[in-house]
Amino acid sequence: GQQVMQIPQYQHVQEGEDFTTYCNSSTTLSNIQWYKQRPGGHPVFLIQLVKSGEVKKQKRLTFQFGEAKKNSSLHITATQTTDVGTYFCAGRTDSNYQLIWGAGTKLIIKP
Amino acid sequence: DSGVTQTPKHLITATGQRVTLRCSPRSGDLSVYWYQQSLDQGLQFLIQYYNGEERAKGNILERFSAQQFPDLHSELNLSSLELGDSALYFCASSVGGAKEKLFFGSGTQLSVL
Repeated sequence: GQQVMQIPQYQHVQEGEDFTTYCNSSTTLSNIQWYKQRPGGHPVFLIQLVKSGEVKKQKRLTFQFGEAKKNSSLHITATQTTDVGTYFCAGRTDSNYQLIWGAGTKLIIKP
Repeated sequence: DSGVTQTPKHLITATGQRVTLRCSPRSGDLSVYWYQQSLDQGLQFLIQYYNGEERAKGNILERFSAQQFPDLHSELNLSSLELGDSALYFCASSVGGAKEKLFFGSGTQLSVL
């Protein structure tokens, strides 16, 4: 079936270091969304990418959608403690209306 | 505040019991989704309703059922509960279009003892 693989599962960084999570789909996606779930919280929508090669920025966060629309990444520059949480990607295909979720990447800031 | 309301926030019950989780979507949203999240795991899609009709089914067990009522609120019924059903259950809502983002409620933490 259609899958979205997300890596890494966990990433430990020192505050101030960069963080990146990657999503790869087995099929071409029509769009991909990113969500953040803080510890003890619920997923919150961050952004949606629709176009091939699209790059969007939100302050220190950079989101990319691959040229083939099969992969996406989220990069955080100079992490802060407020960035702690789990980041999920979720994509849709033209044939399947449903969101296909990645397993999430948990960002942990080392003390 | 996402505008999606889930009750109760916490539920403790015993194996073999039946519980009902309730969700009120954001005003104007026609779609309701139910997700299960086990401890430190990802989001498992259970089922989606759109304007009262079932639209999609995910990995929902036969012991689980859901419905969406005319006022668009939804209920998830979990029966013959097992220890492994202990999880955080999220409801999410959206307007219902193909590119719509989801708004999640705060979840119901179910503990089966």
